[in-house]
Amino acid sequence: GNSVTQMQGQVTLSEEEFLFINCTYSTTGYPTLFWYVQYPGEGPQLLLKVTTANNKGSSRGFEATYDKGTTSFHLQKASVQESDSAVYYCVLGDLNTGNYKYVFGAGTRLKVIA
Amino acid sequence: NAGVIQTPRHKVTGKGQEATLWCEPISGHSAVFWYRQTIVQGLEFLTYFRNQAPIDDSGMPKERFSAQMPNQSHSTLKIQSTQPQDSAVYLCASSLAWGGDQNTLYFGAGTRLSVL
Repeated sequence: GNSVTQMQGQVTLSEEEFLFINCTYSTTGYPTLFWYVQYPGEGPQLLLKVTTANNKGSSRGFEATYDKGTTSFHLQKASVQESDSAVYYCVLGDLNTGNYKYVFGAGTRLKVIA
Repeated sequence: NAGVIQTPRHKVTGKGQEATLWCEPISGHSAVFWYRQTIVQGLEFLTYFRNQAPIDDSGMPKERFSAQMPNQSHSTLKIQSTQPQDSAVYLCASSLAWGGDQNTLYFGAGTRLSVL
């Protein structure tokens, strides 16, 4: 079945530092990959999305590149701000085959210190 | 666009009582999902409706959980005889359709259920 692995449970950075969150996935289908962000007291919201047709996505200064060879979909940001403190989820959807059960990674809690 | 609306935001029940959670999806969205979120298990899929029809409830604990979508504008998740292990945040999400570029999930803020 489909699976997603996020190894980092928590990341603490100072403002303006570089962010890298590791995500690897496993699927036998045609993945659409998402990063969702969840702020306290809110539901997850879409940060960016990448399909096999376009290997890279970006939003609000965040970037993620889909690498089929290494089955990775890492999230990066050059310079974080305190307002980026949230939980980030790597999400796999095998949507072309109609598998609507998004698979969520365990989440990475980012804390940015001013 | 008010987004996905979930009520109540917090619900406290005693062990053995019933809890009903409500979800109003975004108008025009044909797919509605329920997820459960806990610190230990993370986000777990519970059930999915498409055009109000139940498609998959494989994530639902069979005996005490049920979900319905009587019309386009709301869905309910009912938990009978609540147990402490049911304590979680229950998230409802909707999407415009399924497939292609229409599959972004929009989540509500969730209902935090606490079973004492």
